[in-house]
Amino acid sequence: DAKTTQPPSMDCAEGRAANLPCNHSTISGNEYVYWYRQIHSQGPQYIIHGLKNNETNEMASLIITEDRKSSTLILPHATLRDTAVYYCIVRFSGGGADGLTFGKGTHLIIQP
Amino acid sequence: EAGVTQFPSHSVIEKGQTVTLRCDPISGHDNLYWYRRVMGKEIKFLLHFVKESKQDESGMPNNRFLAERTGGTYSTLKVQPAELEDSGVYFCASSLRTGGSTDTQYFGPGTRLTVL
Repeated sequence: DAKTTQPPSMDCAEGRAANLPCNHSTISGNEYVYWYRQIHSQGPQYIIHGLKNNETNEMASLIITEDRKSSTLILPHATLRDTAVYYCIVRFSGGGADGLTFGKGTHLIIQP
Repeated sequence: EAGVTQFPSHSVIEKGQTVTLRCDPISGHDNLYWYRRVMGKEIKFLLHFVKESKQDESGMPNNRFLAERTGGTYSTLKVQPAELEDSGVYFCASSLRTGGSTDTQYFGPGTRLTVL
């Protein structure tokens, strides 16, 4: 699986959009971009994933650049409960795929 | 629909004792994964079951760890004998199938293991 690079920490004001970047310059054509978050010591929570196109669900939007070498997770109206460590993970999903590779992630702090 | 559940939520044991962790995946999910996070480190993959078969156990740290998934439903992870460095949080995850969007893994709340 391709390696990802994320900033170690970010701040965002409550009510504003939080934009979390991720670089994955060595991503290959059959690898998805997944985002998870971990709040305190809870289990990682799935947020969203995508292959080529931008994706949106009830939690967030995922913007993937045309060359697929980077992506941005957008939380449109951040709340204090969105304070967490966010992980960007690139993963082959062609069958037989195994574990996720978690890096250090981005610690997002939502400020009141 | 119930999510992934894990039992116990916390376990405190002494070095040399045995502990068994249990994971119940989301109903119907063929794939079951174990991960762990030790203090100050990143979450690491341990192993992957497809139904009752071990697909990949490359992340298992040593032979003191034994994972089973009899019948392809719930799984257990036994540590025998436990050592101090086994302390950490053990997470279980499940996914419906491998490949494509059905491969999305959903995590349980974890079991916090403390070895004294």
